[in-house]
Amino acid sequence: KQEVTQIPAALSVPEGENLVLNCSFTDSAIYNLQWFRQDPGKGLTSLLLIQSSQREQTSGRLNASLDKSSGRSTLYIAASQPGDSATYLCAVYTGTASKLTFGTGTRLQVTL
Amino acid sequence: DGGITQSPKYLFRKEGQNVTLSCEQNLNHDAMYWYRQDPGQGLRLIYYSQIVNDFQKGDIAEGYSVSREKKESFPLTVTSAQKNPTAFYLCASSISSGPTGELFFGEGSRLTVL
Repeated sequence: KQEVTQIPAALSVPEGENLVLNCSFTDSAIYNLQWFRQDPGKGLTSLLLIQSSQREQTSGRLNASLDKSSGRSTLYIAASQPGDSATYLCAVYTGTASKLTFGTGTRLQVTL
Repeated sequence: DGGITQSPKYLFRKEGQNVTLSCEQNLNHDAMYWYRQDPGQGLRLIYYSQIVNDFQKGDIAEGYSVSREKKESFPLTVTSAQKNPTAFYLCASSISSGPTGELFFGEGSRLTVL
C-alpha cells in the first residue's frame, strides 16, 4: 500500500529565504507526482506535475524534483514571499493500485 | 472562465438527514472525483467517475452515493448512514482518469452535522 509522508508538518521562514519542502513515498512504481497548494478553507491548486520519466519541473520561483528510486520529491521555493503562505501537498499516482495517494501536507508560513 | 464550481460552500445538517453537494465543471473533463479532507489526514477518495453513467467506489464510499448523468455534473449525496459526515468535501476533475491526468479542484464544501 502506497504511503506518502511530508515532513515537516509545519514550517516558518522569514521573507526572502529559499526553502525546500519534502515528500517521500514508499512504492516507487509511480506514474507521476503532483504538488498542490491549499489556502485555508479553499480547494487545492495544482502547482507542478512531474511524470515518472522526468527529473524535475519548473514554474516561476518553484522547482520540483523527483527521485523515483529513492522515493523522494522536493519542492524548492526561491525567494519566499508572505503570499506563499499556505499548505503544500504532494500526491503520487501509483501504477500498481491505479490511484492517487495524498500526503498530509506541510503548512508554510512566510513572515515579514 | 473554465473551472469547477462546488455548492454550497457551507452546509449544516441534522443527524438523520441526507444532503447533496453539487459539483459542476466546464473544463470538458471526462473524469470527476469526490474527496474528503479531515484535519491531519490526507485526502481520501470517496467516489470517482471516468465517464457519463459510470462511477466506482473509492476508499471510503460507505454512507455516500453519487450519480453522473451529465458530463459536467457529479453530485455527491451524504446519507444518514454515514457515521461521521462532518468534513471538508472536495470535488476534482481531470481530462482522463489515467495516470497522466493533472487534477483540478473546486473550492470545497464544508459540511457540519449538528
